[in-house]
Amino acid sequence: GQNIDQPTEMTATEGAIVQINCTYQTSGFNGLFWYQQHAGEAPTFLSYNVLDGLEEKGRFSSFLSRSKGYSYLLLKELQMKDSASYLCAPYSSASKIIFGSGTRLSIRP
Amino acid sequence: GAGVSQTPSNKVTEKGKYVELRCDPISGHTALYWYRQSLGQGPEFLIYFQGTGAADDSGLPNDRFFAVRPEGSVSTLKIQRTERGDSAVYLCASSRNPGTSGDTQYFGPGTRLTVL
Repeated sequence: GQNIDQPTEMTATEGAIVQINCTYQTSGFNGLFWYQQHAGEAPTFLSYNVLDGLEEKGRFSSFLSRSKGYSYLLLKELQMKDSASYLCAPYSSASKIIFGSGTRLSIRP
Repeated sequence: GAGVSQTPSNKVTEKGKYVELRCDPISGHTALYWYRQSLGQGPEFLIYFQGTGAADDSGLPNDRFFAVRPEGSVSTLKIQRTERGDSAVYLCASSRNPGTSGDTQYFGPGTRLTVL
């Protein structure tokens, strides 16, 4: 079966760092995406990991451990505009992305 | 360049009616995906087209839902005999190289369907 587990909500302070964890179990695995979704808008691509390790892209980094079925998204120097939902999304072997329910991140001043 | 577009942006209909939702993918993208998203949930996969054919329709909830992509570009999601439980945001996405590592899906703004 398919199962994706990430926290429902998180709160962090502007300027700080936050880590959003995700564990997954999927039938087939070709990598993992993270998408950002602001309220009322479409998801937008943030990152993709296929190999174990950390991928850094500006203020955002994403980590993958295939053997543990674990990923995290790290957001640094948080800004108010980072308030959004963050979707952990494994890419299965069937050309299909399976989305988790997302983590709603609120940034406070 | 132009992104994925979807029309209408909002659709209100009555229970039992038929609706069509349209998606225009990014030019040159061979794959097109339909998702449904309910409040507080992630997008739920419905169907995936590669070219004109449905490569995977395992997410369609029942036979009231049908989708076509006759010329390998624009797609229409059709819902017959709508029910209140069909109310959701219907998202369309497209990608360039389905099945290749890191093939990113780009999403349209969605159609918010409300069934009264």
